[in-house]
Amino acid sequence: GAVVSQHPSWVICKSGTSVKIECRSLDFQATTMFWYRQFPKQSLMLMATSNEGSKATYEQGVEKDKFLINHASLTLSTLTVTSAHPEDSSFYICSARDSIYNEQFFGPGTRLTVL
Amino acid sequence: AQSVAQPEDQVNVAEGNPLTVKCTYSVSGNPYLFWYVQYPNRGLQFLLKYITGDNLVKGSYGFEAEFNKSQTSFHLKKPSALVSDSALYFCAVRDRTMFSGGYNKLIFGAGTRLAVHP
Repeated sequence: GAVVSQHPSWVICKSGTSVKIECRSLDFQATTMFWYRQFPKQSLMLMATSNEGSKATYEQGVEKDKFLINHASLTLSTLTVTSAHPEDSSFYICSARDSIYNEQFFGPGTRLTVL
Repeated sequence: AQSVAQPEDQVNVAEGNPLTVKCTYSVSGNPYLFWYVQYPNRGLQFLLKYITGDNLVKGSYGFEAEFNKSQTSFHLKKPSALVSDSALYFCAVRDRTMFSGGYNKLIFGAGTRLAVHP
């Protein structure tokens, strides 16, 4: 149990386009989901926390208009990178909190490459 | 501020030998500590956690970690390393004083790359 999926697993896009990444909790309900960004050979940086049905809470320095987060249901959160630029290229990882066991489970990640 | 330090960028060990990946923490109050493993181009997999109780925590894939309050450490260990253990390992602490979206944040260390040689 406690599986989190992400789609797509990788995406290549042109500069200026928008990209949507989906994060799903497959066998549990997640009232809270987290989005992280990981640069090569670096640790995970929390970008934002989303609670189902409410606005996401963004970490300091993260542009909320650039990284749009929607958590419309208890099993799905989406991250949309708007007007992507090469510096947005990164590995994006989501995690979902199992509200019963109060544990965080991580998705497999999405590698975004902006040309 | 709460923080986690992993002093080694990389640890090299021969297959069959014991391995240790170091982690020290700085928190106020009692820590919640975690170890995760990341394989190339994959998300994080949970290995083990310390919340309370026995200082020696056993986790997945034969890994264990010892919570040492006096040394503020939570080193990850395995008695006999496998080549398949080669991966990136992250220590994390749940920061019970910092919230994001109403939930305690996980603070990650920089990661330690474990290389197990045949």
